[in-house]
Amino acid sequence: AQSVTQLGSHVSVSEGALVLLRCNYSSSVPPYLFWYVQYPNQGLQLLLKYTTGATLVKGINGFEAEFKKSETSFHLTKPSAHMSDAAEYFCAVNSGYSTLTFGKGTMLLVSP
Amino acid sequence: GAGVSQSPRYKVAKRGQDVALRCDPISGHVSLFWYQQALGQGPEFLTYFQNEAQLDKSGLPSDRFFAERPEGSVSTLKIQRTQQEDSAVYLCASSFSGANVLTFGAGSRLTVL
Repeated sequence: AQSVTQLGSHVSVSEGALVLLRCNYSSSVPPYLFWYVQYPNQGLQLLLKYTTGATLVKGINGFEAEFKKSETSFHLTKPSAHMSDAAEYFCAVNSGYSTLTFGKGTMLLVSP
Repeated sequence: GAGVSQSPRYKVAKRGQDVALRCDPISGHVSLFWYQQALGQGPEFLTYFQNEAQLDKSGLPSDRFFAERPEGSVSTLKIQRTQQEDSAVYLCASSFSGANVLTFGAGSRLTVL
């Protein structure tokens, strides 16, 4: 079985501050891990993914995530938040099943 | 097409009505997925097609839900005798193969009154 836990349904940061969105996963085999972003009334857009190799993964819009097997984590970070980053972020895992399992999402709020 | 297209974008149904939601995947994409996203929740898997074959329908919540992809391209998700708990956004996603790089459509928002 595979599952994802996202800590914090809402995260608030000021513009220019560090963004940290937390994701922990459960998987019986080495997982593939993903972060997606969803803007209002839009579908999900892939930010970045980890499959194999380098554990620090860089994605679009300045986001990156680090796969830490010992902590079963895949936290998403960005050094400096922009107003345009305000959206909902979903962590997902694929452990060799035919589909992705998503977390419940974290809404990122960015204030000026 | 350039992206995954879903229609209608918004659907209001009276309880007990049947609805049909359409997904037009990216041309050449073999795999097609349907997800249900309730308000404030993450997407939940419904069903998966590889070409015209429905390989996994374990996520369909009841026998009122039915999906098809008869020619391996466009897919339709049908919900019979809709209930209020069916209110959600239904997301379609496609990929060249498998679940590792999915492109999502904008979704069909179903409201059952």
